[in-house]
Amino acid sequence: QVHLQESGPGLVKPSETLSLTCGVSGYSISRGYYWGWIRQPPGKGLEWIGSLSHSGNTYYNPSLMSRVTISMDTSKNQFSLTLSSVTAADTAVYYCARIDINILVAIESWGQGSLVTVSS
Amino acid sequence: DIQMTQSPSSLPASVGDRVTITCRASQSISTYLNWYQQKSGKVPELLIYGASRLQSGVPSRFSGSGSGTDFTLTISSLEAEDFATYYCQQSYVGTTWTFGRGTKVEIK
Repeated sequence: QVHLQESGPGLVKPSETLSLTCGVSGYSISRGYYWGWIRQPPGKGLEWIGSLSHSGNTYYNPSLMSRVTISMDTSKNQFSLTLSSVTAADTAVYYCARIDINILVAIESWGQGSLVTVSS
Repeated sequence: DIQMTQSPSSLPASVGDRVTITCRASQSISTYLNWYQQKSGKVPELLIYGASRLQSGVPSRFSGSGSGTDFTLTISSLEAEDFATYYCQQSYVGTTWTFGRGTKVEIK
């Protein structure tokens, strides 16, 4: 059973960079699946941020592409999200997830989510 | 981007009701359509993938249908634990995955 856990600062200042890490247990991220990030502003719907293949290829939401980087550290079995030049509009719960692109073609496991507030 | 339009945004219902939620894609996505349930304060969970395939462990009162641009999620007989927000999501190959805005099924 895979387990995902987000970690990182809960408060980021405007114009600075948001950084989150997703620790994965129960499965090696380099073995298969895609790994992604989704966010949800308070009281609103879900927004796809981007994903990372087990071989390191990245796929980003075009609306965020200029500010987003998703990377992996296989030695620690974790992957990360950085979002630069944040504004209040980036305040959200950020979820990391495991994505099955072969059979389900869907998000099949989620982390518990990490609330990040952008405020001075 | 492929836009996903869900309706209604809010759905008052009672236990035992048959509930139907619709989702329309801005272009054909074949059957690359998934449904998620999100209970208040909780993490979304996959209910249906491939438009009509029930994820393991999901009760059979949930069903999905559709292909191309028009899709439906049906709950045959609403139970108390089903009051939640439901999201459709397209996973068409080569596109940025996108979600509908959600349908909140609430107590009538």
